[in-house]
Amino acid sequence: DLQMTQSPSSLSASVGDRVTITCRASQGTGIYLAWFQQKPGRPPKLLIYAASKLHSGVPSRFSGSGSGTDFTLTISSLQSEDVATYYCQRYETAPFTFGPGTKVDLK
Amino acid sequence: QVHLVQSGTEVKKPGASVKVSCQASGYSFTGYFMYWVRQAPGHGLEWMGRINPNNGGKNFAQAFQGRVTLTMDRSNSTAYMELSGLRSDDTAIYYCARGITVLDYWGPGTLVIVSS
Repeated sequence: DLQMTQSPSSLSASVGDRVTITCRASQGTGIYLAWFQQKPGRPPKLLIYAASKLHSGVPSRFSGSGSGTDFTLTISSLQSEDVATYYCQRYETAPFTFGPGTKVDLK
Repeated sequence: QVHLVQSGTEVKKPGASVKVSCQASGYSFTGYFMYWVRQAPGHGLEWMGRINPNNGGKNFAQAFQGRVTLTMDRSNSTAYMELSGLRSDDTAIYYCARGITVLDYWGPGTLVIVSS
């Protein structure tokens, strides 16, 4: 199966900081890349699909970019409610592999 | 409004099988795949497979081939995931999620505990 990696595995940042998370696919996946946010005890929530399209209701401080094998999720100004684990997922062809996750907390 | 309601917590012994249900409402059941994803305690998300409620077509992750059965009942908009040959490392929360390709709505998850 295709592999997904994410970096960093965790990070600490202050409210208002710009946060960037990277996702890399072992093979090109076009723009078929989604980002999810998961808070403890809750199911994941879709943030971004097609690498850069914001899902309905997601705050505009979240943005995505990239294509092929390298993708980025950016939070332009971190808020306390953004403390969560973030996962990327490729969905060009099955299996739709997830990245290992990046845990974001407050400094 | 899209809702996915999953069955409750299950406790099973090693070697047994478990069947988890996911009842959908608020959208056309046959218009979207139903996906299954699991999450072991303290671990990340693991894609298991999907079923097309329109034609019954299925895809599975290699790790689950032969051990997972995906079925559906269109009459009550319910999808089922059955996992056989349970082992302790199958202890996890099992989520259903709908999507055409992108998983845009998720169920609350079903905790499956495998313990002797």
